[in-house]
Amino acid sequence: ETGVTQSPTHLIKTRGQQVTLRCSSQSGHNTVSWYQQALGQGPQFIFQYYREEENGRGNFPPRFSGLQFPNYSSELNVNALELDDSALYLCASSLWGNSPLHFGNGTRLTVT
Amino acid sequence: AQSVAQPEDQVNVAEGNPLTVKCTYSVSGNPYLFWYVQYPNRGLQFLLKYITGDNLVKGSYGFEAEFNKSQTSFHLKKPSALVSDSALYFCAVRDSNYQLIWGAGTKLIIKP
Repeated sequence: ETGVTQSPTHLIKTRGQQVTLRCSSQSGHNTVSWYQQALGQGPQFIFQYYREEENGRGNFPPRFSGLQFPNYSSELNVNALELDDSALYLCASSLWGNSPLHFGNGTRLTVT
Repeated sequence: AQSVAQPEDQVNVAEGNPLTVKCTYSVSGNPYLFWYVQYPNRGLQFLLKYITGDNLVKGSYGFEAEFNKSQTSFHLKKPSALVSDSALYFCAVRDSNYQLIWGAGTKLIIKP
């Protein structure tokens, strides 16, 4: 069973740039969600995809967007990066419903 | 509004002693509750969940949690702490859209 993998592990970008983060879901999982975790804080829900459709979104602006592909891998895109976007971005996959989330190790994004 | 509170930023326990990490919640309807653990620079790992049934839930690594409906609590416990249990612990509750609302986390420090 392959776990959730995220790439890249670390990334440094400049304010105003765009970034794409990638996530490969655990085999058999049809739901993926993305979280932003600032240093010393809990995860903040960004959005969730189920069978390639966004079906939930947290309090994040439209410059945060995503995709889920037919193989259930996923991307998180952030446009017009701001300094406050610096955080650990976590991807989690699961089966729909109350099944536990399986997290990747995250991508550490630094915006300078 | 649904919410989760972890009232302690940090809990210190001597190795071999019992530990408790507190969590209270506020939801409409039946609560679906989860505990996750996070080690430094890693994603979150699922420990246990309460959906329905027995109020005492057993999970990974010897952890258990007690659901108390009248006190709206879901405290994490372990009879005998290990130094390797030192990590960041998050409580979460599922909302009506199958998304998780997270507490701010509690840092658990186990001293030899």
